[in-house]
Amino acid sequence: GESVGLHLPTLSVQEGDNSIINCAYSNSASDYFIWYKQESGKGPQFIIDIRSNMDKRQGQRVTVLLNKTVKHLSLQIAATQPGDSAVYFCADPQGGKLIFGQGTELSVKP
Amino acid sequence: IAGITQAPTSQILAAGRRMTLRCTQDMRHNAMYWYRQDLGLGLRLIHYSNTAGTTGKGEVPDGYSVSRANTDDFPLTLASAVPSQTSVYFCASSDSATSGSDEQFFGPGTRLTVL
Repeated sequence: GESVGLHLPTLSVQEGDNSIINCAYSNSASDYFIWYKQESGKGPQFIIDIRSNMDKRQGQRVTVLLNKTVKHLSLQIAATQPGDSAVYFCADPQGGKLIFGQGTELSVKP
Repeated sequence: IAGITQAPTSQILAAGRRMTLRCTQDMRHNAMYWYRQDLGLGLRLIHYSNTAGTTGKGEVPDGYSVSRANTDDFPLTLASAVPSQTSVYFCASSDSATSGSDEQFFGPGTRLTVL
């Protein structure tokens, strides 16, 4: 079946550095992706989304890049802060049902 | 505005017992979902409901049932719990017709342990 996956299960960065979390997808027909952040003991929280007619979308300190040719998207977090420590998921809504990747755990070192 | 509430927060349950996890949203969203989250497996969809009165099966529906009698409530029932149903359960809702996106809003989760 179709899947969404992340390249690395964990990522450790120094506070103030930029973080890049990658995600690959297999469904060529996918046209919309969402990034979620999940802090320990909480439910996932929407960060940013992107549609396939865009290559890049920026939010507050976050940027998502979409490369449809290689079916890859990335989440970039600028000036990573301790509060960014969480598990990050990319998700592909297929017919309204979210297909989640396994998640990347981001740890921020002070 | 509470958003999505789930109850109980956590539960320890003997195998074979029946259990209903409750989920209520006050956003008048038309669609609701139940996921389970297990270490190393991410979130997997159990059941969903696109609108009140309708339900559908997700990726891992076996051993679970749902109902959607009204817009706000979407209970998940384990008829006879088994240890493999030990997990964290998340309820979510969305209203793409209003928001124009498929963003789902998640509840705080229910941690269920089946012994």
